[in-house]
Amino acid sequence: EVQLLESGGGLVQPGGSLRLSCAASGFTFRSYAMSWVRQAPGKGLEWVSAMSGSAGSTYYADSVKGRFTISRDNSKNTLYLQMNSLRAEDTAVYYCAKDAVPASLGVGYFDYWGQGTLVTVSS
Amino acid sequence: EIVMTQSPATLSVSPGERATLSCRASQSVSSNLAWYQQKPGQAPRLLIYGASTRATAIPARFSGSGSGTEFTLTISSLQSEDFAVYYCQQYNIWPPESTFGQGTKLEIK
Repeated sequence: EVQLLESGGGLVQPGGSLRLSCAASGFTFRSYAMSWVRQAPGKGLEWVSAMSGSAGSTYYADSVKGRFTISRDNSKNTLYLQMNSLRAEDTAVYYCAKDAVPASLGVGYFDYWGQGTLVTVSS
Repeated sequence: EIVMTQSPATLSVSPGERATLSCRASQSVSSNLAWYQQKPGQAPRLLIYGASTRATAIPARFSGSGSGTEFTLTISSLQSEDFAVYYCQQYNIWPPESTFGQGTKLEIK
């Protein structure tokens, strides 16, 4: 059974940093691209960042480029999101999502999602 | 950036009836479109990919159609568990871009 378990969310002040983790199990982690998708309170879904299975390629939404860094440790089956210079508009539930196809860069749609971790940016 | 626009924002339908949800892309995304269902407090669930292919274990009452810029999700006979928010997502220029619609809330009439 595929499982994705996010952790690391919490309350942080504007300008602060936070590191999210996503522990994966039930599939060959290194074979799949992984993404972070966020959802602000009461709002829709926004793709944030993705990383290829081999960890050789990374992609970011313009809204987080230069502030967020995605990484993964395939030996630990874990995906990370380092978030720096946080802003109030980064407040959201952050989901870890598995790409649906075992290709290095994936296909861009997601067949499994974690339950999410809430990040609140406020003073 | 490709903008995805869903309509209507809220759809009220009675159980047992058919629901039709629409999604429009600001430019062609071919058939690179997915639909997700999200219930309160839960993660999204993949329903449809490739515009019309049902994901694993998705009931046959869910169907998707369309290509280019116009897409439709149809639920043929609404069950109580189908009342939720539905999102479309384009992945035509992946990587690096993937964009979601703003969602359609399907509520009980």
